[in-house]
Amino acid sequence: AQSVTQLGSHVSVSEGALVLLRCNYSSSVPPYLFWYVQYPNQGLQLLLKYTTGATLVKGINGFEAEFKKSETSFHLTKPSAHMSDAAEYFCAVSPPQAGTALIFGKGTTLSVSS
Amino acid sequence: GAVVSQHPSWVICKSGTSVKIECRSLDFQATTMFWYRQFPKQSLMLMATSNEGSKATYEQGVEKDKFLINHASLTLSTLTVTSAHPEDSSFYICSATLWTSGDYNEQFFGPGTRLTVL
Repeated sequence: AQSVTQLGSHVSVSEGALVLLRCNYSSSVPPYLFWYVQYPNQGLQLLLKYTTGATLVKGINGFEAEFKKSETSFHLTKPSAHMSDAAEYFCAVSPPQAGTALIFGKGTTLSVSS
Repeated sequence: GAVVSQHPSWVICKSGTSVKIECRSLDFQATTMFWYRQFPKQSLMLMATSNEGSKATYEQGVEKDKFLINHASLTLSTLTVTSAHPEDSSFYICSATLWTSGDYNEQFFGPGTRLTVL
């Protein structure tokens, strides 16, 4: 069975500081991994995804994530936080079966202070 | 990119009434759609999987008679909350999935519907 663990339900950074949101997964098969962002009262927007190929994945809004198989991790980073980055972030893994729902972590709330 | 819409974006209703929420895939056909419920400051809770032309599959603990799901076409799924009560107040999000050539599911999410039951 697949699962996702997001360490830290709340992360606070200053504007301009490095953002690091942690995600670890459990999967018996090669995982497909996703990061989504959710702004208040909105749906989920895909930030980036890892399927195959390069393990460092670049996404929208300056975010990137690195797939590390040895550490079963897929941490999300951004070199310099912006106030507009304040939101809820979800890591997810895709089961290998067609038509099955993504498995989400519990989410991490990112706060950015000026 | 693939777009999923939801209607209405918010609804307020009286206790005991029924509310229908529509989820549409605008530029692709989705054989499978999902309905999620989200409580404040929490993750998405999968309620049910909806496949076109067949009965929905509900997650454990979700009352199928209360949350009626219909997936009548490849672009439309509806969630009806029957005899709504205040505890049904929540944020409901749908998503539609594409099975890609890369052998993985990619889900596209709607903007959500805020339901408030008075």
